[in-house]
Amino acid sequence: EVQLVESGGGLVKPGGSLRLSCAASGFTFSSYSMNWVRQAPGKGLEWVSSISSSSSYIYYADSVKGRFTISRDNAKNSLYLQMNSLRAEDTAVYYCARAPDGDYWGQGTLVTVSS
Amino acid sequence: QSALTQPASVSGSPGQSITISCTGTSSDVGGYNYVSWYQQHPGKAPKLMIYEVSNRPSGVPDRFSGSKSGNTASLTISGLQAEDEADYYCSSYTSSSTQVFGTGTKVTVL
Repeated sequence: EVQLVESGGGLVKPGGSLRLSCAASGFTFSSYSMNWVRQAPGKGLEWVSSISSSSSYIYYADSVKGRFTISRDNAKNSLYLQMNSLRAEDTAVYYCARAPDGDYWGQGTLVTVSS
Repeated sequence: QSALTQPASVSGSPGQSITISCTGTSSDVGGYNYVSWYQQHPGKAPKLMIYEVSNRPSGVPDRFSGSKSGNTASLTISGLQAEDEADYYCSSYTSSSTQVFGTGTKVTVL
């Protein structure tokens, strides 16, 4: 059974940092590109970042470029999102999802940026 | 990258058919056959309903169908059921090798 489990969310002050993790199981993680998608409270889905299977190709939404860094460790079947210089508008539930179609999603982890 | 445009809400009675539109540009929806549709119930993660414009993943009822014409993709739900009441989002691959989601549509079963 495919499972994606996010962790690392929490409350952080503006300007702070947080590192999200996504543990994958039930499929050959190293064969798939992965995405991070977020959803602000009461709002729609927003694509954040994607990484190819071997980390050769990495893309970011303009809203996070220069502040967020996506990475993966295929040996550990894990996906990461390092978030720096956090702003109030980064407050959201962050999901990891298997690319390219988003056929599997995690349950999400809530990031709250507030003083 | 601007969000794809969807109607804010669509409603229908049980058994009826409804269609949700998703309008983009030639740089996303119109340029690629990589349009997906997701269903999201409150407090839950999104669920893939349609991928590559018109393909249904295993387990998704055949009441759900997708199509595309030009820069507009559509999701049709036939034989609407109470459990179809949810938010629906489209998404597309873009010419910048990124992904863009639609604004979301709330489906209400009357």
